[in-house]
Amino acid sequence: DTGVSQDPRHKITKRGQNVTFRCDPISEHNRLYWYRQTLGQGPEFLTYFQNEAQLEKSRLLSDRFSAERPKGSFSTLEIQRTEQGDSAMYLCASSLSQGSEQFFGPGTRLTVL
Amino acid sequence: GENVEQHPSTLSVQEGDSAVIKCTYSDSASNYFPWYKQELGKRPQLIIDIRSNVGEKKDQRIAVTLNKTAKHFSLHITETQPEDSAVYFCAAIGNNDMRFGAGTRLTVKP
Repeated sequence: DTGVSQDPRHKITKRGQNVTFRCDPISEHNRLYWYRQTLGQGPEFLTYFQNEAQLEKSRLLSDRFSAERPKGSFSTLEIQRTEQGDSAMYLCASSLSQGSEQFFGPGTRLTVL
Repeated sequence: GENVEQHPSTLSVQEGDSAVIKCTYSDSASNYFPWYKQELGKRPQLIIDIRSNVGEKKDQRIAVTLNKTAKHFSLHITETQPEDSAVYFCAAIGNNDMRFGAGTRLTVKP
């Protein structure tokens, strides 16, 4: 599979639990992005990586959110102490470089009960 | 930071008519402007993009125009077909900032 993949596709959790999502980008892509999308809205930028370096993090991103890309390949997004407001689709995308097409993964739909 | 406004939020056209979606952005450092199409339950997919050194780009029935001075860009779809029905998002991307518009739900009536 040459596209961006994400795991899991769906996650249901109880408020207060921690969750971790994984994204596998297209193999030659240096840049990896995380977005959050809620119903009726466009993707909201969370953070991005250039290889293993996290270069930017949205000011809207709570301290409960953390992302890593330890070897410059796959990335993980962890949400600690989940809240109901965290319920959303979490999208990952990758691109060859800045200003090139971002290819999106299928997303992980998080539901916090 | 960047702020992207997209209009209209919904658009309904008759098959064969044209559709126009407009976006404005605030950060003059933005230099890449992609448009994505998202069908229900699917991931966003790029349909066309434009860079800040170009004023217009066309790909078959789809065209995008960019006015850097006014900080706005538009998507034009001609000869619309029912399969064009989807949500369309614009985006403005700079070196460290990437913002999407809220989306336009386009419905093409047969």
